[in-house]
Amino acid sequence: GESVGLHLPTLSVQEGDNSIINCAYSNSASDYFIWYKQESGKGPQFIIDIRSNMDKRQGQRVTVLLNKTVKHLSLQIAATQPGDSAVYFCAENLGGGADGLTFGKGTHLIIQP
Amino acid sequence: NAGVTQTPKFRILKIGQSMTLQCTQDMNHNYMYWYRQDPGMGLKLIYYSVGAGITDKGEVPNGYNVSRSTTEDFPLRLELAAPSQTSVYFCASTGERYEQYFGPGTRLTVT
Repeated sequence: GESVGLHLPTLSVQEGDNSIINCAYSNSASDYFIWYKQESGKGPQFIIDIRSNMDKRQGQRVTVLLNKTVKHLSLQIAATQPGDSAVYFCAENLGGGADGLTFGKGTHLIIQP
Repeated sequence: NAGVTQTPKFRILKIGQSMTLQCTQDMNHNYMYWYRQDPGMGLKLIYYSVGAGITDKGEVPNGYNVSRSTTEDFPLRLELAAPSQTSVYFCASTGERYEQYFGPGTRLTVT
């Protein structure tokens, strides 16, 4: 099976609330993790990444947390906006290099007005 | 700077036909990738290339071929199209941190 997976296929949040999207991975050797946003009919768009030597990384309105002990990754989106509606994928690179990413199935984030 | 571009956007093939999906990037990235995405699923790696003249298989290479004669271009070839190859195909290239930049995709239907 896939080494990267997501806990919930759909997440519905109120506009303005914070969103947390979770991801589990099974390979302790995974070195690099990325979160992507995919809007309908478009290619995945890079959001934020984190390497295994870090626990937390922040971007603009987004934070990625990595818990290596339980092999868990999360994406936090602050003050969710309608434009945040999309499918969010976590992906891992098993080798830490350039030999391609392994993607999970994705979580569909729905923003309620 | 257009990033990663793909052509065509849409294509319908009959079983047994062949076609080439084009991918070009203008960021001078060495690493390029082809993924396929089936409905409601994540992306699966078909082939990748770490530089001109070098290609390698990914998770689902059967039924596909690639070539990399230049840094910019990484075409994907389907020789004998099958219904199982109905999917959306994404090309990507990799920046300095190994983050991947994706093209807009090619939606392929094989009937």
